[in-house]
Amino acid sequence: DGGITQSPKYLFRKEGQNVTLSCEQNLNHDAMYWYRQDPGQGLRLIYYSQIVNDFQKGDIAEGYSVSREKKESFPLTVTSAQKNPTAFYLCASSIQAGRSYNEQFFGPGTRLTVL
Amino acid sequence: GEDVEQSLFLSVREGDSSVINCTYTDSSSTYLYWYKQEPGAGLQLLTYIFSNMDMKQDQRLTVLLNKKDKHLSLRIADTQTGDSAIYFCAESGAGNNRKLIWGLGTSLAVNP
Repeated sequence: DGGITQSPKYLFRKEGQNVTLSCEQNLNHDAMYWYRQDPGQGLRLIYYSQIVNDFQKGDIAEGYSVSREKKESFPLTVTSAQKNPTAFYLCASSIQAGRSYNEQFFGPGTRLTVL
Repeated sequence: GEDVEQSLFLSVREGDSSVINCTYTDSSSTYLYWYKQEPGAGLQLLTYIFSNMDMKQDQRLTVLLNKKDKHLSLRIADTQTGDSAIYFCAESGAGNNRKLIWGLGTSLAVNP
């Protein structure tokens, strides 16, 4: 059964700690994306990757880091430099960035709460 | 820059039709999408329309596109309580990466 998994669903961390959110896909998609969702603010793009070993900053990359060592995996680290990390984080993938039809498939999300 | 706008809330009675509206600015958009997000979940593609079409129908869903006014709408016929969710409009942006440009989402409440 193909899809995108994110773990964990809920994550609690103390202020000042780095935390890594997992995102795995078995859809054989080239492109992967990380979004942050806050109430009333829609989806904001943090980072995206069009191919293995390459990634680009989105609109709100400060305080976040990513890696793309494998096609299937695109973990997001929320660092202590992120001033307001409590949010719902969504991972997505698409067959290939740059196509005119760019349907994105989403994982179930991780809700991060920093105490 | 590119922008997508939606009204934030819509409330309808069960059985009525819902119409969710969206405006966008990028005239080079090729595809426009409607996604649905249920509470605490990820987004799911509901339907999409190619920019050379005026209308697309898919069971209870009708998408209308007015390219001249850069206006997109999603009509849900016979709205059910299970349709209560946030609906996002998105357009494929310009440039090599074709990132999706998202609206803020319309929260649809269906009252019994």
